[in-house]
Amino acid sequence: KQEVTQIPAALSVPEGENLVLNCSFTDSAIYNLQWFRQDPGKGLTSLLLIQSSQREQTSGRLNASLDKSSGRSTLYIAASQPGDSATYLCAAPGGSYIPTFGRGTSLIVHP
Amino acid sequence: DAGVTQSPTHLIKTRGQQVTLRCSPKSGHDTVSWYQQALGQGPQFIFQYYEEEERQRGNFPDRFSGHQFPNYSSELNVNALLLGDSALYLCASSAKGRQSYEQYFGPGTRLTVT
Repeated sequence: KQEVTQIPAALSVPEGENLVLNCSFTDSAIYNLQWFRQDPGKGLTSLLLIQSSQREQTSGRLNASLDKSSGRSTLYIAASQPGDSATYLCAAPGGSYIPTFGRGTSLIVHP
Repeated sequence: DAGVTQSPTHLIKTRGQQVTLRCSPKSGHDTVSWYQQALGQGPQFIFQYYEEEERQRGNFPDRFSGHQFPNYSSELNVNALLLGDSALYLCASSAKGRQSYEQYFGPGTRLTVT
């Protein structure tokens, strides 16, 4: 059974800092890994999808990397802004193809 | 191009009642997945529908059932509601039934059971 852990659980930083959010998973037989953003009480917005054959994906100030052998993915946020404040979730389907989410990292970027 | 839509936005039900939630997938998508998200937790996979069949199921009791229509829209039904069923219910769609495709989520339905 796939288990996904996200560290840290919460993060509060001043505007402008570069951030690293971590996601680890126990079953490395994943076919992709997806990072999402969730604002309070809202649905999930897809940020980046990394296929199992890829090592990283970039979108604007966001960069996500994937290391299947070590069961880890990181989301790098450059030059953080108050509008980046949200909960960030990663999802990694295991061998059963059932998408498994972590509990998320709650990020606050203060001016 | 409309994204994933869900209805209703909010719902209040009494313990023991039944509820139906609805989801329309993103245009061009044919696979719909349902998730339950309790406060402070990550979404938990309920089940996935493709070609009007339940394709995968998570660890949820039979009180949770679903349906997919020929136009790919889907319903989630929950019978004999418990207080613990209070949560945000999320629908996600993806394309062509392929497991590697990106999931797009709707805004969710907030269910409160009293």
